[in-house]
Amino acid sequence: ETGVTQSPTHLIKTRGQQVTLRCSSQSGHNTVSWYQQALGQGPQFIFQYYREEENGRGNFPPRFSGLQFPNYSSELNVNALELDDSALYLCASSRYEGISEQYFGPGTRLTVT
Amino acid sequence: DQQVKQNSPSLSVQEGRISILNCDYTNSMFDYFLWYKKYPAEGPTFLISISSIKDKNEDGRFTVFLNKSAKHLSLHIVPSQPGDSAVYFCAAKGTYKYIFGTGTRLKVLA
Repeated sequence: ETGVTQSPTHLIKTRGQQVTLRCSSQSGHNTVSWYQQALGQGPQFIFQYYREEENGRGNFPPRFSGLQFPNYSSELNVNALELDDSALYLCASSRYEGISEQYFGPGTRLTVT
Repeated sequence: DQQVKQNSPSLSVQEGRISILNCDYTNSMFDYFLWYKKYPAEGPTFLISISSIKDKNEDGRFTVFLNKSAKHLSLHIVPSQPGDSAVYFCAAKGTYKYIFGTGTRLKVLA
């Protein structure tokens, strides 16, 4: 069984640029959630995708957007990057929408300069 | 407004002794709680969970206690091992998301 994978591992971008982060869910999981973890904080929920549609959203502006593909993999897009977007971005997959135990990938470390 | 709080940023414990990590929450509607462990450069790993219909759940060296009236849960690790050194996050189940605390860094001293 393949776990959750994320790419890239690290990324450095300039303020104002756009970034796309990718996630492959664990085998058998159809739901993907994205979290942002700033330094010294716990993961903060961005949004969840189920059956290729956004299923719920946290307190993040519209410049954070996402996609889920038929194979349940997902992308997180962030436009007009700001310095405060520097964080670890975690993807988590779960077997069902709503909630069940979520399994996290290793994360993408984004640095905005 | 932090709905899930871990007030101790760090904890050091001697190998073989008990580690107790604490977590408080504010929303009485939360009915499912989880603990995750996170090593550097890795994503959080699920450790143990508890439903609000229980007040205790055990899995090997790990036990989680839930006190609903106090809106408090704790994770006990007995005996603590150096490999347990990590950041521990408490999380509460929301409608479609987990709400995480800020984490407690546990250091188990050999």
